Amino acid sequence: GENVEQHPSTLSVQEGDSAVIKCTYSDSASNYFPWYKQELGKGPQLIIDIRSNVGEKKDQRIAVTLNKTAKHFSLHITETQPEDSAVYFCAASIIDMRFGAGTRLTVKP
Amino acid sequence: GAVVSQHPSRVICKSGTSVKIECRSLDFQATTMFWYRQFPKKSLMLMATSNEGSKATYEQGVEKDKFLINHASLTLSTLTVTSAHPEDSSFYICSARDGPHAEQFFGPGTRLTVL
Repeated sequence: GENVEQHPSTLSVQEGDSAVIKCTYSDSASNYFPWYKQELGKGPQLIIDIRSNVGEKKDQRIAVTLNKTAKHFSLHITETQPEDSAVYFCAASIIDMRFGAGTRLTVKP
Repeated sequence: GAVVSQHPSRVICKSGTSVKIECRSLDFQATTMFWYRQFPKKSLMLMATSNEGSKATYEQGVEKDKFLINHASLTLSTLTVTSAHPEDSSFYICSARDGPHAEQFFGPGTRLTVL
């Protein structure tokens, strides 16, 4: 089955800096790669996603890149703000979704 | 995005009792619903996948007689934790989608504490 690895497990940045979270997946058939933000005690919220026919996607301060050959994809958050602090999960999906272990992002004001 | 609700948001029960958690898609028809379990500071672990009108497909290691899943309509799936024990205490999250390649929307989660 699909195996998703996510790094780093924790990330601390200064407000205004950029944050990058990386994931790798094992199944080359995976074709959908969403990123979720989860705040304490809440369910995950989709923040951006990318499909396998696209190499990069951007939405304001958030961007995702996908390298199908290397089977890795990354989340980029620019101009980070304290409210970006949360746990971020990547996932890879063919039919059902497999999640990475999560990255706890802390943005220090 | 579409809205998925869960009820209750929090439940405390005694060991040996059964607890039912509801997952509803509020503004779309969910052909498939998923149930996840999340331990503190851990990732989401898929427990089972349910398609409306069919039996749920359970992941390896998940006891189907322990975690009963029913997906009787296109907007409702239920997870019943039977004969709950303290080790069943966890955060249970459902998600739903309206097609095989559609976006998956997550509920807010249910925190189960078994005393």
